Amino acid sequence: GNSVTQMEGPVTLSEEAFLTINCTYTATGYPSLFWYVQYPGEGLQLLLKATKADDKGSNKGFEATYRKETTSFHLEKGSVQVSDSAVYFCALRPGDGANSKLTFGKGITLSVRP
Amino acid sequence: GAGVSQSPSNKVTEKGKDVELRCDPISGHTALYWYRQSLGQGLEFLIYFQGNSAPDKSGLPSDRFSAERTGGSVSTLTIQRTQQEDSAVYLCASSFLAGDTQYFGPGTRLTVL
Repeated sequence: GNSVTQMEGPVTLSEEAFLTINCTYTATGYPSLFWYVQYPGEGLQLLLKATKADDKGSNKGFEATYRKETTSFHLEKGSVQVSDSAVYFCALRPGDGANSKLTFGKGITLSVRP
Repeated sequence: GAGVSQSPSNKVTEKGKDVELRCDPISGHTALYWYRQSLGQGLEFLIYFQGNSAPDKSGLPSDRFSAERTGGSVSTLTIQRTQQEDSAVYLCASSFLAGDTQYFGPGTRLTVL
């Protein structure tokens, strides 16, 4: 079956540090890949997505590249801010078109110190 | 509406009671999803509605869980004879069409005592 594995957390960084959050997946075919973010007290929001191999999703300074050869979709940001403190979820949606339910990783909590 | 809304935001119930959780999707969205977020299991898919098609119930953990979607809009998730392991945040999402970006509501936090 489909699965998403995220690195263990939590992660604590100082403001302006470089961020990498690892995400790998197992799926048949060509899934779409997503990063969702959950800010404190708020609902899940789509951060970025990529729908085919070598696509790069980007938003709010975050980037992730769909790497089919390594089945990865690592999230990166060059300089984090305190406002980036949140829980980040990697997710996939099967590419077969028959179902559109998302499979999520366990999430990782990021705390950014001033 | 502007976004997906869910009610109640918090629900505390006693073991063995039934609960109903409500989701109002974004107007015009044809697909509606329920997920559960719990400490031990992370975010899990429960059930998915697309238009007038039969729902995908493959994620429901037991027959105590059921959901319906009336008139292609509002959905209600019902948990019968609640157990302590049902304590979680129940999230609803909708998308314009199946396969489009899913937009999530704020969730209902269910606590079973």
